[in-house]
Amino acid sequence: KAGVTQTPRYLIKTRGQQVTLSCSPISGHRSVSWYQQTPGQGLQFLFEYFSETQRNKGNFPGRFSGRQFSNSRSEMNVSTLELGDSALYLCASSPETGARGEQYFGPGTRLTVT
Amino acid sequence: AQSVTQLDSQVPVFEEAPVELRCNYSSSVSVYLFWYVQYPNQGLQLLLKYLSGSTLVKGINGFEAEFNKSQTSFHLRKPSVHISDTAEYFCAVTPSGGYQKVTFGIGTKLQVIP
Repeated sequence: KAGVTQTPRYLIKTRGQQVTLSCSPISGHRSVSWYQQTPGQGLQFLFEYFSETQRNKGNFPGRFSGRQFSNSRSEMNVSTLELGDSALYLCASSPETGARGEQYFGPGTRLTVT
Repeated sequence: AQSVTQLDSQVPVFEEAPVELRCNYSSSVSVYLFWYVQYPNQGLQLLLKYLSGSTLVKGINGFEAEFNKSQTSFHLRKPSVHISDTAEYFCAVTPSGGYQKVTFGIGTKLQVIP
């Protein structure tokens, strides 16, 4: 099976702009989670989608939003970018069988806000 | 709510020496525990997981971890490290019931010295 893919891999945006990141999960996985990774902060949970519904949400402002499509692909959007949004954004998919927390990660999208 | 504390941000160790990466967690309910590894410019990869049963769990690449409920710890060990083990290691926890989010520690950078 193909792994989790994320596009684009690298992105440079200007403060105030908006950005959309895409994630394609492993075939058959219906759960997709998004994380923000920054040095010193580790992985911060953004949200999780399952069958097109947001199932869990982290403590991020409303500028961060996401959605999931019927084919389980997911997008996250960040509006009104701030310098502090510079980070590696990781997407992870999970099968419904097996343990929660057993996630398969994509390589991430490196977002730089200038 | 759950929390994870990784006690060491960086661990230098000589090649072929043993290593222990420490992880403590806090939770009022039973949990699943995980260790993930992240190589440079890559996403996270599952090393091992504790769901139930034997408290000593073995993972990929010769790693093992021991679940200690009384100490609320889940330390990762390897008897002899290789240069290729240089990476960042993340401990993670999630409640064993329901579909709640996964909480990650801030990571421990393992540097193997030739």
